[in-house]
Amino acid sequence: GAGVSQSPSNKVTEKGKDVELRCDPISGHTALYWYRQSLGQGLEFLIYFQGNSAPDKSGLPSDRFSAERTGGSVSTLTIQRTQQEDSAVYLCASSPVNPYNEQFFGPGTRLTVL
Amino acid sequence: DQQVKQNSPSLSVQEGRISILNCDYTNSMFDYFLWYKKYPAEGPTFLISISSIKDKNEDGRFTVFLNKSAKHLSLHIVPSQPGDSAVYFCAASDRDDKIIFGKGTRLHILP
Repeated sequence: GAGVSQSPSNKVTEKGKDVELRCDPISGHTALYWYRQSLGQGLEFLIYFQGNSAPDKSGLPSDRFSAERTGGSVSTLTIQRTQQEDSAVYLCASSPVNPYNEQFFGPGTRLTVL
Repeated sequence: DQQVKQNSPSLSVQEGRISILNCDYTNSMFDYFLWYKKYPAEGPTFLISISSIKDKNEDGRFTVFLNKSAKHLSLHIVPSQPGDSAVYFCAASDRDDKIIFGKGTRLHILP
């Protein structure tokens, strides 16, 4: 398909373990975003990649969170030493080069930290 | 400090009636506004947008109204249908920067 894909769709991990979440954006989209949605909460911005510019990391909640985008395409969000409060749905979105920044979302990864 | 606020966490509307979802923002630099719809276990999907040079944009049953002086926008759905039951997110951008989302409003369309 031509949409944004994310893997895994579900991840259950134990407190203290590291996890990696993957996002494959739509081909040709230069902007890539990570959000998370905790239970009963809205979309919380985490990090934003735009082309070759330095990423906007202003939304990352702690230094346990990091993300990279290789080759301007696939992105990986890494959470080290996971905590129970990290449990959420992690959503990735991409957008093309246009002035309107409409984003196309993936289905999300549901992370559960036990 | 929430820059985009959706003060109603949920809204119930009778099928066939008008649904009105409200959104307020604080950043006067925002010049582009979007509404997204989200079903359970799916990512949000784009619904409709409006730029700050307009005060209304219509697409079928969906109309977005923007009141810049009040920093307020609303989404009208008429007539409401059962498939409209979802969470609706308001979002705002200054075009060159990331989009800021509200917390969402869950819309229930009652039979």
